[in-house]
Amino acid sequence: AQKVTQAQTEISVVEKEDVTLDCVYETRDTTYYLFWYKQPPSGELVFLIRRNSFDEQNEISGRYSWNFQKSTSSFNFTITASQVVDSAVYFCALMGRAAGNKLTFGGGTRVLVKP
Amino acid sequence: EPEVTQTPSHQVTQMGQEVILRCVPISNHLYFYWYRQILGQKVEFLVSFYNNEISEKSEIFDDQFSVERPDGSNFTLKIRSTKLEDSAMYFCASDRGLAGGSDTQYFGPGTRLTVL
Repeated sequence: AQKVTQAQTEISVVEKEDVTLDCVYETRDTTYYLFWYKQPPSGELVFLIRRNSFDEQNEISGRYSWNFQKSTSSFNFTITASQVVDSAVYFCALMGRAAGNKLTFGGGTRVLVKP
Repeated sequence: EPEVTQTPSHQVTQMGQEVILRCVPISNHLYFYWYRQILGQKVEFLVSFYNNEISEKSEIFDDQFSVERPDGSNFTLKIRSTKLEDSAMYFCASDRGLAGGSDTQYFGPGTRLTVL
């Protein structure tokens, strides 16, 4: 069975602060894929980043960066210099190769960036 | 940039009525999905569809639900007799269907279904 846990339900920051979102996952698959999606107030789900289990290199993409630690089953996501437009619910999701193509989502973390 | 589209954006229906939610996946994508999100809760997988048949379905996807690809562009979700608990946001998604099932799924804007 697959499981994704996002322990933080809501984070509130002031603009320009950094925000780090935690994600812990469980899977029996040896090959799996991890994703972050953003859900702004308008409701759509927007793909942000993806990581493959066989590639632990951490990267930065603009103001987004992520820290994938296989040893602790964590896939944390950081927004640097937050902006008001970053206010949204962020979902971590897991796809295990043997578990089929379905995404298993965490409960989401609501980020509120105040001006 | 190609995107998944869904219609209608909001559907209100009476309990017991049939509803059909429509999706147009990205044109060169081969795998299609429906997910739902009850208000304030996590996004849940309903069903995946490939090569004109259901690939996988969750326990939520019971006999009241069905999916169809009626033509070369549309992908539909039908709920035969809606219940109050079917009220949710329904998302359609698609991907290229890469070997090994590892592709990124792109989501549509969702259809908010309200059952009265």
